[in-house]
Amino acid sequence: AQTVTQSQPEMSVQEAETVTLSCTYDTSENNYYLFWYKQPPSRQMILVIRQEAYKQQNATENRFSVNFQKAAKSFSLKISDSQLGDTAMYFCAFMKGTNAGKSTFGDGTTLTVKP
Amino acid sequence: EPEVTQTPSHQVTQMGQEVILRCVPISNHLYFYWYRQILGQKVEFLVSFYNNEISEKSEIFDDQFSVERPDGSNFTLKIRSTKLEDSAMYFCATGGNAWADTQYFGPGTRLTVL
Repeated sequence: AQTVTQSQPEMSVQEAETVTLSCTYDTSENNYYLFWYKQPPSRQMILVIRQEAYKQQNATENRFSVNFQKAAKSFSLKISDSQLGDTAMYFCAFMKGTNAGKSTFGDGTTLTVKP
Repeated sequence: EPEVTQTPSHQVTQMGQEVILRCVPISNHLYFYWYRQILGQKVEFLVSFYNNEISEKSEIFDDQFSVERPDGSNFTLKIRSTKLEDSAMYFCATGGNAWADTQYFGPGTRLTVL
């Protein structure tokens, strides 16, 4: 079974600074996908970024980028120029390429952006 | 931008009662999922559904749970006899044309079992 580990239960960052959230996963699969989701206090789950395992290039979405280290099974999220609206719980998730879409989530990291 | 919608936003029920949670997927999506999140815990997969049948289900998804897409639009999760431990946020997610497609989550239904 796949496991996803987020080792930082809570983090904080000053507005406009950069923060990195860590995620590691365990799998024997070669075909899989990784995601970061944001969950603000409203509890809506919002996709932040997606990475295909077969792609060597790290995914980026505006201020959000990942550092995908396949050999190390590491998938960290970097948020640049942090904004107050980035305050939320962030979940890392793993999805096998051939597993009927089942996603396995980490425990989450609560990020607080301070003014 | 199309989005997944869920109703109701909050459901309060008595233990032992049946509840039906409803989801309206993004219109051209073919893959459907239910997840739950007990307060303060991680999101857990319940079931995936494609072509009018369950594709995969977790150990949480026991005989008390069922899913269907009765009218080709709504995707429902039924809990036959609710337990206290079923209290959670239930998220519907839908994906486009393949299992590997990104899943888009609805806003969730908060279920409270008393």
